Amino acid sequence: NAGVTQTPKFRVLKTGQSMTLLCAQDMNHEYMYWYRQDPGMGLRLIHYSVGEGTTAKGEVPDGYNVSRLKKQNFLLGLESAAPSQTSVYFCASSYGDYLQETQYFGPGTRLLVL
Amino acid sequence: ILNVEQSPQSLHVQEGDSTNFTCSFPSSNFYALHWYRWETAKSPEALFVMTLNGDEKKKGRISATLNTKEGYSYLYIKGSQPEDSATYLCAFQKKTSYDKVIFGPGTSLSVIP
Repeated sequence: NAGVTQTPKFRVLKTGQSMTLLCAQDMNHEYMYWYRQDPGMGLRLIHYSVGEGTTAKGEVPDGYNVSRLKKQNFLLGLESAAPSQTSVYFCASSYGDYLQETQYFGPGTRLLVL
Repeated sequence: ILNVEQSPQSLHVQEGDSTNFTCSFPSSNFYALHWYRWETAKSPEALFVMTLNGDEKKKGRISATLNTKEGYSYLYIKGSQPEDSATYLCAFQKKTSYDKVIFGPGTSLSVIP
């Protein structure tokens, strides 16, 4: 099992450019999450999904969109990147059956917006 | 927005010392409290999930306690080793929004050989 994978690992964007981050999991998890990690602020939830075809907003959703067309994939889109979106992005997934169970994280995507 | 706090922000201890840190969370509508360990350049990995007031969990030299009535959890490391150096995150689930997990800012632990 590859677990949770993220593509790309690192990207540099210019202000106003768009991009999509891909998260894939092979554990048949129902729930998937996108977080951003900034110094001194821990992990902040951007968007999440509780199943294929569903998405919901987290703490900091502005400037991002997501889609969950397939159960194993969760895409995070930046339509018009801003320097404030420079961050490390982590995807996570969990079974969703028992609700209190833990999340499994991907390796992260480092994004720099100039 | 839920407020999950952790203290201290960072900690430096000598190898062999025991240490502990705190996670504070809202005491109302409690659902679950998670602890994660996050090593530099890696992804967070789960340590414990706790759901009941008074829960105590243990994994090797690391243990955690939970007080849902007052809204705090302690993480203890006995006899710290250099490989324990990491950031320790707690994460809170609220009953009315259990599908979201809110993370604290973390406690960064450095164990000096």
